[in-house]
Amino acid sequence: GEDVEQSLFLSVREGDSSVINCTYTDSSSTYLYWYKQEPGAGLQLLTYIFSNMDMKQDQRLTVLLNKKDKHLSLRIADTQTGDSAIYFCAERIGGYNKLIFGAGTRLAVHP
Amino acid sequence: EAGVAQSPRYKIIEKRQSVAFWCNPISGHATLYWYQQILGQGPKLLIQFQNNGVVDDSQLPKDRFSAERLKGVDSTLKIQPAKLEDSAVYLCASSLVGGGYTFGSGTRLTVV
Repeated sequence: GEDVEQSLFLSVREGDSSVINCTYTDSSSTYLYWYKQEPGAGLQLLTYIFSNMDMKQDQRLTVLLNKKDKHLSLRIADTQTGDSAIYFCAERIGGYNKLIFGAGTRLAVHP
Repeated sequence: EAGVAQSPRYKIIEKRQSVAFWCNPISGHATLYWYQQILGQGPKLLIQFQNNGVVDDSQLPKDRFSAERLKGVDSTLKIQPAKLEDSAVYLCASSLVGGGYTFGSGTRLTVV
């Protein structure tokens, strides 16, 4: 089946690391994505990882993929107030490039 | 490069009325998607076009929703008649075949 699950809320202190977790069910996923959505705005692609990779690092962002457990995580180092947003995990499946999204994790950053 | 353009930005209608949304994808992007994002949920794919043909409309409520992509460029999504549960943000996205998505800013629909 096609299902992506995320925890709904995460609160962190400014300067700490944030870790947002995601699980998915479709083993045929080719790419997995993290999108950011700020209030009233569209979806901004943060980063993605190919399904045959374990890790990808991009400045403050680290993506870890455990394909055996179908678990994806996004680590944000040195979290800032500007990182407050909803973060969506998505898996790309099928030959026609379909994206399946989780419900999103709301990240709140406090001083 | 210009992004994905959507209009209108906001729309408020009464239930049982009809409404239409417009999307202009990035030039050269063959694939166009319409997603529905209900408040508190992740986006859900309604319909996917490749050029002007439909490749996936399995989650489109076809009794009230319709979409077209004439000439394989712009697309319109229509709801007729609207229900209260159609209140959502409607997101359009485009991509090259097999490529990454670019999303528009969305149309926020409120049905009262």
